[in-house]
Amino acid sequence: DGGITQSPKYLFRKEGQNVTLSCEQNLNHDAMYWYRQDPGQGLRLIYYSQIVNDFQKGDIAEGYSVSREKKESFPLTVTSAQKNPTAFYLCASSIQDEQFFGPGTRLTVL
Amino acid sequence: QKEVEQDPGPLSVPEGAIVSLNCTYSNSAFQYFMWYRQYSRKGPELLMYTYSSGNKEDGRFTAQVDKSSKYISLFIRDSQPSDSATYLCAMNTGGYQKVTFGTGTKLQVIP
Repeated sequence: DGGITQSPKYLFRKEGQNVTLSCEQNLNHDAMYWYRQDPGQGLRLIYYSQIVNDFQKGDIAEGYSVSREKKESFPLTVTSAQKNPTAFYLCASSIQDEQFFGPGTRLTVL
Repeated sequence: QKEVEQDPGPLSVPEGAIVSLNCTYSNSAFQYFMWYRQYSRKGPELLMYTYSSGNKEDGRFTAQVDKSSKYISLFIRDSQPSDSATYLCAMNTGGYQKVTFGTGTKLQVIP
């Protein structure tokens, strides 16, 4: 089956820790994206990558980092510098304009 | 003012009703318009994708774009309880350009 997988589904982090969220796609899409979703605020773009070994900051990149070493993979690291990391994180990939989303990871900071 | 405005709802309708969901936008450069359905604690699912003005129909769903008014709509005919979800509108100027999302409208279809 083609699709986007995210792991883990739920993640708990202590303050001061870095955590890495996984995103993998087997759709052969060039572009991949990370969004954060908070109640009442819609989806906000964190980082995106249009090609391997290249990525750009989105609207709210501070406190986050990414890598794109393989076409299929686009992991997101939430660093201790992110002041309010508790949220629902969504990974997406696209061919041209249509973006397809993974199931999401809910991160909670304890 | 947000680039894309969407009424958050919630919108409650009886089963079988026709549902109208709407978004307005301010950027006249938007050319591609999308509607996503998102069930609670799940990722958004692409429902409809349209280019420029006009209508597009897919089963019980019809997407409508009026670029002159900067207004897009999603109609759901014969609504079902399984349609209960949050509906997000999204749009961009084309290519791999940034997609701007509405905040979503929560729909509840009551049996």
